[in-house]
Amino acid sequence: GESVGLHLPTLSVQEGDNSIINCAYSNSASDYFIWYKQESGKGPQFIIDIRSNMDKRQGQRVTVLLNKTVKHLSLQIAATQPGDSAVYFCAENETGRRALTFGSGTRLQVQP
Amino acid sequence: ETGVTQTPRHLVMGMTNKKSLKCEQHLGHNAMYWYKQSAKKPLELMFVYNFKEQTENNSVPSRFSPECPNSSHLFLHLHTLQPEDSALYLCASSQGGLSGIYNEQFFGPGTRLTVL
Repeated sequence: GESVGLHLPTLSVQEGDNSIINCAYSNSASDYFIWYKQESGKGPQFIIDIRSNMDKRQGQRVTVLLNKTVKHLSLQIAATQPGDSAVYFCAENETGRRALTFGSGTRLQVQP
Repeated sequence: ETGVTQTPRHLVMGMTNKKSLKCEQHLGHNAMYWYKQSAKKPLELMFVYNFKEQTENNSVPSRFSPECPNSSHLFLHLHTLQPEDSALYLCASSQGGLSGIYNEQFFGPGTRLTVL
């Protein structure tokens, strides 16, 4: 299921370190953002979401930060594990639109 | 398991063949989607259905023909495809319907299509 052949930016981290994956968006009217994880051979899986009335949201080992001023979104993964190795996509939506707009993704490689 | 299943998982077809991809969602959602994920581009939206009605067609060539007989099933009929149509085809669903919740989309595992 990975974007084989697509030149994705790659983030390589050591197991146990924290990872930060960044995403820039262009639509200033977007008011909803999602991070997806896509492992090899699988479809994208929901990780965490955030609405534009927030600037931070925490889940289990993950935190999403939203900076609307510069239209920037980040995903922080604490204590990265080998099972976190995957391609991570951000997606955005604007109220009223029936579809998400996806970014191109970042490949996270966790070194044991 | 996300509750969205797709069959087949892999498909190889010639340019003159006709085949269909199937998607089924067990989440009680009303909106369903087809996306294309190719080697050179990010996820591309193809079609959106809400309550069995097509609400978006993202300028998709007519050799791709969607069908949504009910809110749980979505098909993508393929005919006279080109090699550049080789990609991973992903189905997704969301609550949609009258609530208008399209954000929280759940994806199936995809069908890996190769056109020879």
